[in-house]
Amino acid sequence: DAGVIQSPRHEVTEMGQEVTLRCKPISGHDYLFWYRQTMMRGLELLIYFNNNVPIDDSGMPEDRFSAKMPNASFSTLKIQPSEPRDSAVYFCASTPGAVATFGSGTRLTVV
Amino acid sequence: AQSVTQPDIHITVSEGASLELRCNYSYGATPYLFWYVQSPGQGLQLLLKYFSGDTLVQGIKGFEAEFKRSQSSFNLRKPSVHWSDAAEYFCAVVPLGGYQKVTFGTGTKLQVIP
Repeated sequence: DAGVIQSPRHEVTEMGQEVTLRCKPISGHDYLFWYRQTMMRGLELLIYFNNNVPIDDSGMPEDRFSAKMPNASFSTLKIQPSEPRDSAVYFCASTPGAVATFGSGTRLTVV
Repeated sequence: AQSVTQPDIHITVSEGASLELRCNYSYGATPYLFWYVQSPGQGLQLLLKYFSGDTLVQGIKGFEAEFKRSQSSFNLRKPSVHWSDAAEYFCAVVPLGGYQKVTFGTGTKLQVIP
């Protein structure tokens, strides 16, 4: 079991550019979560899916953020256009029930 | 409102000393309770969980936590801290029933001094 796989591990981009973060959940896990972690706000739940369907996106900060889960093995979080305040570590997690397994995160820096 | 609170932002202990990290929750019914640890630059690793039953749960790395319903608390303990325990610790809850939405506390950063 390779765990939850996120890519890239690090991303540096210029303000205004589109950024796409990727996540491969653990096979068989039907819940997938996207979190953002910053010093100021801690761990924030952005959106989560159940069986590929978005259930709660109330944590998505702005319309610039969007997430998709086209199939059970892949999800993306897109920021367009990116801004410096989007700089954070973005975590993906998956679970078949209550115990979530986290990926190693993507550290995003927007300059 | 539903919430999970970790009142200590930062704790410093000496190596070999005991440790207790506090967590309080506010939910209509007792949720599922978790402690995660995050080492610098790493993701979150599950230390232990409580669903029901014995209120003292054992986890990895020598950690344990005690659920106290009367105090709505789920404090994490370790009898003797090692330098490698320096990390950030997050209490988390998942409400019973419905979708498995994990909500985290703000975290407690643990510093271990020789």
